[in-house]
Amino acid sequence: DSGVTQTPKHLITATGQRVTLRCSPRSGDLSVYWYQQSLDQGLQFLIHYYNGEERAKGNILERFSAQQFPDLHSELNLSSLELGDSALYFCASSFAPWGETQYFGPGTRLLVL
Amino acid sequence: AQRVTQPEKLLSVFKGAPVELKCNYSYSGSPELFWYVQYSRQRLQLLLRHISRESIKGFTADLNKGETSFHLKKPFAQEEDSAMYYCALSPPWGAQGAQKLVFGQGTRLTINP
Repeated sequence: DSGVTQTPKHLITATGQRVTLRCSPRSGDLSVYWYQQSLDQGLQFLIHYYNGEERAKGNILERFSAQQFPDLHSELNLSSLELGDSALYFCASSFAPWGETQYFGPGTRLLVL
Repeated sequence: AQRVTQPEKLLSVFKGAPVELKCNYSYSGSPELFWYVQYSRQRLQLLLRHISRESIKGFTADLNKGETSFHLKKPFAQEEDSAMYYCALSPPWGAQGAQKLVFGQGTRLTINP
């Protein structure tokens, strides 16, 4: 599958814990974007990386961090988890740093109990 | 401020009837505009973007800069059109924030047989 992949599909954890979500972009894409989808906030942009460099930040909490590795996969780290962090986390990718269609992964559903 | 408003959370029409999903945006300039669709248990996929002026699966969207709207239309709805539809904007190439998509809250379209 040359599309965007995300692991794991589902994650259940407890408050105060830390988790790592992983995203592999489409083959050839250099940009990775992270979005959070929750019932009350809808789909919100979190952060964007292009070729290993952070390019833009959105509504990302200080407890959250991300990075993009030399092989272009990206990880989103969520720490000191709270109940309100329960959401669907999407990764998207594109070739250029802007102005292009973003292709989305299937998402990771996080449930914090 | 950058904002996308989809006034209808739910929309239900009969098969064969015309469909219009409303989208209004707020942006001081000329953003890129998109419609994304999410079928049940599938990832978000691009349906169309205004710059390409394509018609996908019979859907079209007209940009009205005066009314800052980008409504999605289809003359004859089909059952397979049932899905969640998201309108989104992105600042234009080179503008601040051009990397991100700003999404509306989405409209759940149900086509009744």
